[in-house]
Amino acid sequence: GENVEQHPSTLSVQEGDSAVIKCTYSDSASNYFPWYKQELGKRPQLIIDIRSNVGEKKDQRIAVTLNKTAKHFSLHITETQPEDSAVYFCAASMGTSYDKVIFGPGTSLSVIP
Amino acid sequence: KAGVTQTPRYLIKTRGQQVTLSCSPISGHRSVSWYQQTPGQGLQFLFEYFSETQRNKGNFPGRFSGRQFSNSRSEMNVSTLELGDSALYLCASSLARQGGSPLHFGNGTRLTVT
Repeated sequence: GENVEQHPSTLSVQEGDSAVIKCTYSDSASNYFPWYKQELGKRPQLIIDIRSNVGEKKDQRIAVTLNKTAKHFSLHITETQPEDSAVYFCAASMGTSYDKVIFGPGTSLSVIP
Repeated sequence: KAGVTQTPRYLIKTRGQQVTLSCSPISGHRSVSWYQQTPGQGLQFLFEYFSETQRNKGNFPGRFSGRQFSNSRSEMNVSTLELGDSALYLCASSLARQGGSPLHFGNGTRLTVT
């Protein structure tokens, strides 16, 4: 079935350390993988996305890696700051025409000052 | 550009009533998707509308319905409300179908059913 798993469900790191969130997806033909950040009481916002023709993408302190063979992708946040504290959702395109995204259950990240 | 606008921000209804939520997408965006968010349940997909047609539907009962107008604005309706329908309802717009295009979320409508 259409499924995206996400681990861990909660993550606590010290400020300045790195944080890694991992997701696996069920459909080997999925081709679009966005990540969204939702701060407490706010709407989800896209922070980075990657397509299946790229293995890695970076944007300042954030990077995403994709392993198509293993059907998993990961979000890496380096030099974490308190403002990185939020819930992070991964997603993958699925469906007959890969025209919808299925979200993972989310990871609650806490950065301890 | 103005962001995605959802109205109202808050709603309190009683069981058995019905409710209509509204979503105005970013100008030029043709896709509107709806999600239900409850604590610990993440983002549950309700449906997506593109060019006034429902393109995909999540696993929700028929009490949940929607529509999209020619200007891409969308409404979601929930009939015969149940206590379990209490949630934050988010809509998101995108330029193209959600499977290949970033979603831009609104601030949501918080529905409380008593």
